[in-house]
Parts: sequence; structure tokens; C-alpha cells
Amino acid sequence: NAGVTQTPKFQVLKTGQSMTLQCAQDMNHEYMSWYRQDPGMGLRLIHYSVGAGITDQGEVPNGYNVSRSTTEDFPLRLLSAAPSQTSVYFCASRETGSTDTQYFGPGTRLTVL
Amino acid sequence: AQSVTQLGSHVSVSEGALVLLRCNYSSSVPPYLFWYVQYPNQGLQLLLKYTTGATLVKGINGFEAEFKKSETSFHLTKPSAHMSDAAEYFCAVGGATNKLIFGTGTLLAVQP
Repeated sequence: NAGVTQTPKFQVLKTGQSMTLQCAQDMNHEYMSWYRQDPGMGLRLIHYSVGAGITDQGEVPNGYNVSRSTTEDFPLRLLSAAPSQTSVYFCASRETGSTDTQYFGPGTRLTVL
Repeated sequence: AQSVTQLGSHVSVSEGALVLLRCNYSSSVPPYLFWYVQYPNQGLQLLLKYTTGATLVKGINGFEAEFKKSETSFHLTKPSAHMSDAAEYFCAVGGATNKLIFGTGTLLAVQP
């Protein structure tokens, strides 16, 4: 199993550009989520999904869109990038239960100029 | 709502010394508590978790944590630090919703 994979690893955008961060998992997990990590702020939940076709907002959803058309994939879209979105983004997945271990991808480091 | 507070953003210990990383939580329902570790330029991996049952939880790499409901704490300990333990450690709480809420992290440095 590859686990949770994310592409790209690094990305530089200009303000106003759009892009999609890709996330895929091969563990047949129903639950997937996106976090951003910023110095001194830990990990903050952006959006999550409890299954194909179902998504919901986390703590910091503004400026981001998600969709879940398959169990395996959970892309994160930045509609119009802003410097405040410069961060490291992590995708994670787990089985459905809240006690289940969450598995993280290696992260995407995004810089918005 | 649930929240986590990690006391001390930076902790430095000598190799062989006790490691103690503090975590306090707030939860209106019985919490599920997790400790994750992040090595430089990597994702997070689970160290240990508490769901129900025994309040002393043992994890990987010699770490353990004790759930103390009366103190709303879930501190992480290791009797003897190793250089390879240098990393950032995150406490997290879940259980009330489908969301896992993380603390702000503690960066552990191990001095030779």
C-alpha cells in the first residue's frame, strides 16, 4: 500500500492564481481531511469528508473548495490564491470511527507571492 | 466544543533525561486523545491514543501517556530521551464530532 499520497510536494503561485492540491489513499478509508500547518498554530482543519459525495467545513474553510467523487481521491482547490494561504498542507485519511488512527500524507509546501 | 492546549512550544532535554510534554484538553463529552509525532519535512505519525479503558497508554518508541480526567490532562512521557526523539509533538482530541482538533505543537530538542 502506498498509504496517503499528495502532489505536488512544492508549489509557488502568484496572488490570484488557482490550483488544485491532489490527495489519494489506497486504504479504502471513508474519512478524509485537509489540514494546513503554520508555525505556532499547529494543524488546523480546512475541510473533511465522511464518504464519497459528502463534504463539510472545518475550522478554516474560507478560500478553499473540496469535492469527493470517489473514495480514493479528495482534491483541495484554491480558487484565488492569497499570500495568507502560504502554508504546508496535509491530507489525512482514516476509517470511519473517531477512535481510528488518522494517516497523514507527506505534505505540500505552498508559497503564494 | 473541544480544544487542546500544549504547554511549552519548545522543550529541551539532555540525552538520557526524562521527557515530559504537557497536554490539557477541554471536552464536553468523553474525549478520544492522541499524540502524533512529526519529524522534519515529514507528515505526522501516531505515537499513541486513548479511547476507553486503561488510562495509562503505551505507544511506540518507549513513549507513554496517562489520561487524567480530574486534571483534564494527557501528558506524554519517556523515561530516557534519545537523540532520535528530536521532533515536533502534537496532542489532539476527538470524539464529539468527526473532527480531530490539534494543539499548537511542542518542539523537542535533545542535547548530547
